[in-house]
Amino acid sequence: NAGVTQTPKFRVLKTGQSMTLLCAQDMNHEYMYWYRQDPGMGLRLIHYSVGEGTTAKGEVPDGYNVSRLKKQNFLLGLESAAPSQTSVYFCASRSYTGELFFGEGSRLTVL
Amino acid sequence: GQSLEQPSEVTAVEGAIVQINCTYQTSGFYGLSWYQQHDGGAPTFLSYNALDGLEETGRFSSFLSRSDSYGYLLLQELQMKDSASYFCAVSFTGNQFYFGTGTSLTVIP
Repeated sequence: NAGVTQTPKFRVLKTGQSMTLLCAQDMNHEYMYWYRQDPGMGLRLIHYSVGEGTTAKGEVPDGYNVSRLKKQNFLLGLESAAPSQTSVYFCASRSYTGELFFGEGSRLTVL
Repeated sequence: GQSLEQPSEVTAVEGAIVQINCTYQTSGFYGLSWYQQHDGGAPTFLSYNALDGLEETGRFSSFLSRSDSYGYLLLQELQMKDSASYFCAVSFTGNQFYFGTGTSLTVIP
């Protein structure tokens, strides 16, 4: 089973460039999440979705947009990347028992 | 808003027992979860408490007291492979999950 798959795994951007991170899950979960992880900061919730076609803001949504056009996919977009967005990004989906399943992470560097 | 506090670092001896505490402040509390993360890896689920009391899963146990806004993760018979970061997370209305800053556990021989 693939579980939660994130692409790309690594990316280097220049300030002002845009990009999209893709998260795909094959467990038919309704809820999906995007987190960022920085040293000493733990995991901070960026945006989440409770079902196809729905999205909501988390703790640190500024500078990011998301879309959930299909149940299995949750996209995170950066319209104009900034060095402060250098981070490791994790996608997760939630089972009906409340367990979060995480992808392997996408490591983004903004120069 | 939500806030969680857990110790930043803990060191314990192989074979021993270690307890990692987590206190939280949140409105709409739904449950407390624990996750393990090895360096460079994805967080993996350990346990979830929605009700007061102790949940046991093998060498790991988790406890919750809703009245005290407090929980802990208990790791028994520590092994070297248990060296990792451990995160508590509160579930807010069952939809959102907010994580603490993590406890780095080092197991020494």
